[in-house]
Amino acid sequence: QVQLQESGPGLVKPSQTLSLTCTVSGGSISSGSYYWNWIRQPAGKGLEWIGRIYTSGSTNYNPSLRSRVTISLDTSKNQFSLKLSSVTAADTAVYYCARRYGGNSHFDYWGQGTLVTVSS
Amino acid sequence: SYVLTQPPSVSVAPGQTARITCGGNNIGSKRVHWYQQKPGQAPVLVVNDDSDRPSGIPERFSGSNSGNTATLTISRVEAGDEADYYCQVWDSSSDQGVFGGGTKLTVL
Repeated sequence: QVQLQESGPGLVKPSQTLSLTCTVSGGSISSGSYYWNWIRQPAGKGLEWIGRIYTSGSTNYNPSLRSRVTISLDTSKNQFSLKLSSVTAADTAVYYCARRYGGNSHFDYWGQGTLVTVSS
Repeated sequence: SYVLTQPPSVSVAPGQTARITCGGNNIGSKRVHWYQQKPGQAPVLVVNDDSDRPSGIPERFSGSNSGNTATLTISRVEAGDEADYYCQVWDSSSDQGVFGGGTKLTVL
C-alpha cells in the first residue's frame, strides 16, 4: 500500500522560502510511470494544484506560481520536495502531496496534508 | 486556463438523491474525477474517469459527463455523506491539474 507523508516547518516568515518534503513508502518514487504532485488548500477555500514532477525529473507548474516554485526528486530517500520562494500570507495553506499514475488523470494517493502558516 | 464551475452548496434530506454539477467548456471530452473531503481530512477519490468507482466506494456514488456538464450523483444520502466535493480534470493542453471550486453538501 502506497503512503505519502508531508513534512516541513509549520511556520515561515514572509519573503522567505517555504520548503516541504513528501516521503513515499510502499513503492519506489523513481520506477514506473508516476507523476508526483503538490496541491494546496487555504483555510476555508478550495484545492489548488501547484505542480508536478515525473519520475524522469521533468516538471510543470501552475502558471500563477511558476516564477516561485521548484519541485525536485530525491530518489535516494524516496522523496520529492516543494520549494516556494518569496512567500506572503496568501501562501498560508494546508499543503498536500499526491500521486497520479501516468496513464490516468486523477490523484489516487494523497498525503494527510501539512499546515504552513506564513507569519512574522 | 481551463475553468471548472461548481455550485457552492447543495442541500438534501436523508434518503434523497443529491446531484452536484461541474461545468466546463466541452467537459464531456475530458475525464472528470470527484473527491470527497471531510473537515480536517485529505480528499478521497469517490469517482474517477467520469463514472468509475474506486474500491471501497459505495454504489450510491455515481457520475456522468456530457457536453458542458459533469454530475456527481449520491443516492440514498446519509448523514455521513455531508462533506465538500470537488471535481477535477487534467488539462492536457497545458499539462496541469484543475479543480472546481468545491460544493458543500449539507444533509438536512
